[in-house]
Amino acid sequence: DTGVSQDPRHKITKRGQNVTFRCDPISEHNRLYWYRQTLGQGPEFLTYFQNEAQLEKSRLLSDRFSAERPKGSFSTLEIQRTEQGDSAMYLCASSLFYGQSSYEQYFGPGTRLTVT
Amino acid sequence: QQQVKQSPQSLIVQKGGISIINCAYENTAFDYFPWYQQFPGKGPALLIAIRPDVSEKKEGRFTISFNKSAKQFSLHIMDSQPGDSATYFCAASIGNNRLAFGKGNQVVVIP
Repeated sequence: DTGVSQDPRHKITKRGQNVTFRCDPISEHNRLYWYRQTLGQGPEFLTYFQNEAQLEKSRLLSDRFSAERPKGSFSTLEIQRTEQGDSAMYLCASSLFYGQSSYEQYFGPGTRLTVT
Repeated sequence: QQQVKQSPQSLIVQKGGISIINCAYENTAFDYFPWYQQFPGKGPALLIAIRPDVSEKKEGRFTISFNKSAKQFSLHIMDSQPGDSATYFCAASIGNNRLAFGKGNQVVVIP
């Protein structure tokens, strides 16, 4: 399968714990995006990378959230001191940026986080 | 502030009918408008996308109509099938960077 993969698919954690999610993009894609989706809503943009550089972060992304893409391939999203409001589906997407053009974003299956 | 607004919230269509979902946007700098389909527990899947230099784009049973002056675009699903029952999201972006999504429309196709 050459699509975007995310791990784990589900995570249940207690309030105050730290969690880390991983995203592996489509292999030739140099852009990687993180979104968050709560029940009944559309995905909300969190941050994105081009290769290893983090180019944009949403104001939604509090200081407890950090994302990395150290070698320009996979990415991790860490949430520290989780809160119940962090419960959501965390989606990763990837795309190709070439020349001056950015192409379609393809999403992974998501990681569903439940904070108890 | 919701940058992209969808209507109706939900839609029930008979098999073989046409599903029409509308989307309105505010930011005139948006230049890329995709539609995504999402099944429960899955990530969104890209269906079809349009840029504002064309007024219509068709791919199989799916058509996007785009009205730049009204800042609206819509998705038409022809010959709707029960397998099309899903949530549909419109989105918009500048240069296909970060996407601003609508809240989604749930479409139910009854046999």
